[in-house]
Amino acid sequence: NAGVTQTPKFQVLKTGQSMTLQCAQDMNHEYMSWYRQDPGMGLRLIHYSVGAGITDQGEVPNGYNVSRSTTEDFPLRLLSAAPSQTSVYFCASSYTGKSNQPQHFGDGTRLSIL
Amino acid sequence: AQKVTQAQTEISVVEKEDVTLDCVYETRDTTYYLFWYKQPPSGELVFLIRRNSFDEQNEISGRYSWNFQKSTSSFNFTITASQVVDSAVYFCALSDNNDMRFGAGTRLTVKP
Repeated sequence: NAGVTQTPKFQVLKTGQSMTLQCAQDMNHEYMSWYRQDPGMGLRLIHYSVGAGITDQGEVPNGYNVSRSTTEDFPLRLLSAAPSQTSVYFCASSYTGKSNQPQHFGDGTRLSIL
Repeated sequence: AQKVTQAQTEISVVEKEDVTLDCVYETRDTTYYLFWYKQPPSGELVFLIRRNSFDEQNEISGRYSWNFQKSTSSFNFTITASQVVDSAVYFCALSDNNDMRFGAGTRLTVKP
């Protein structure tokens, strides 16, 4: 079972470059989300989606865009990368957006912005 | 607003010791869910337990146990007879509606 697949696993960008982090799940989950993990700050929610065609902002959405054209895919776009976006990014999914659902996480993407 | 506090940044114990990881939360909602996740050195996040706000029963799963107390807004996690494989970062999380907030995590090191 693939679960939640994130690509790439590592990426280095220069300031100002754009990039898309890919996330795909094969569990037919309605809810998908993106987090960033920074030292001493835990995971912070960037954007989430409760179903195809529906997205919403989380705690730290600035500098990121998302779209959800299919149930399976939820890409995260950095339009103009900044050093402050250096982080580890996790994509997660759950069966529904109900708050009682545990989330399944991908293995993460380590992103460095120079 | 939601908030989760894990005051213990790092804990180091010797194998076979018991260890408790603290979690204190804040929320205005009466219906909410609490979670614990484990992040081993390999980096993935592993779901451990979920508890809803109406169920204050403690839970035990093998060497793991959880103590949920609404009166003190705490959801503490105890590992009994710790093992080296328990070394990881442990996150407590609070969820209501579609928003999940994580604590900063506690890094547990279990030494042989």
